[in-house]
Amino acid sequence: AQSVSQHNHHVILSEAASLELGCNYSYGGTVNLFWYVQYPGQHLQLLLKYFSGDPLVKGIKGFEAEFIKSKFSFNLRKPSVQWSDTAEYFCAVVESNFGNEKLTFGTGTRLTIIP
Amino acid sequence: KAGVTQTPRYLIKTRGQQVTLSCSPISGHRSVSWYQQTPGQGLQFLFEYFSETQRNKGNFPGRFSGRQFSNSRSEMNVSTLELGDSALYLCASSYRAGISYEQYFGPGTRLTVT
Repeated sequence: AQSVSQHNHHVILSEAASLELGCNYSYGGTVNLFWYVQYPGQHLQLLLKYFSGDPLVKGIKGFEAEFIKSKFSFNLRKPSVQWSDTAEYFCAVVESNFGNEKLTFGTGTRLTIIP
Repeated sequence: KAGVTQTPRYLIKTRGQQVTLSCSPISGHRSVSWYQQTPGQGLQFLFEYFSETQRNKGNFPGRFSGRQFSNSRSEMNVSTLELGDSALYLCASSYRAGISYEQYFGPGTRLTVT
């Protein structure tokens, strides 16, 4: 069965620091990759996604993620975080197998930005 | 455009009872997916409906079922509730079929089983 690992459960950074959140998955077939974000008191929303093509994808609010197939990773990055980036971040992977899709979320990383 | 709405927002039920949760997707969206979120298990995919047909299903027991109506509204039913069913149930809608496309999430229904 597929698994998605987010090794950082809680990350605390100061404003302007660089961010990298790890995401690793176990499925070896075709995958679509996502990062979702949940700001305090708000709904879960899509940050960015990778389907195919350029492995470096850019999302909203200056976030980007790089798909490294050989490492089964899809890490999220931001060069300079802001206090408003405080949120919980979820990596998600959809594996496709003959039209049947299976979606697995990571356990989430809570990001706290200190002003 | 109005977002995804879920009713009720909070629910308290007793073990053994059944419960029905409702989700209204964004206007024009025909795909509705359901998720369970708990502190221990995180976010888990339950199932996806598109045009009144279940397209994808997660690994949940048969006590969890759903349906979708012709207006794309969806309901999720949990029968014979267990304490472990206490969770936030999220609904998400999408214009296209399949869970690989951008989904818009609702605020969730907080279910407490006592």
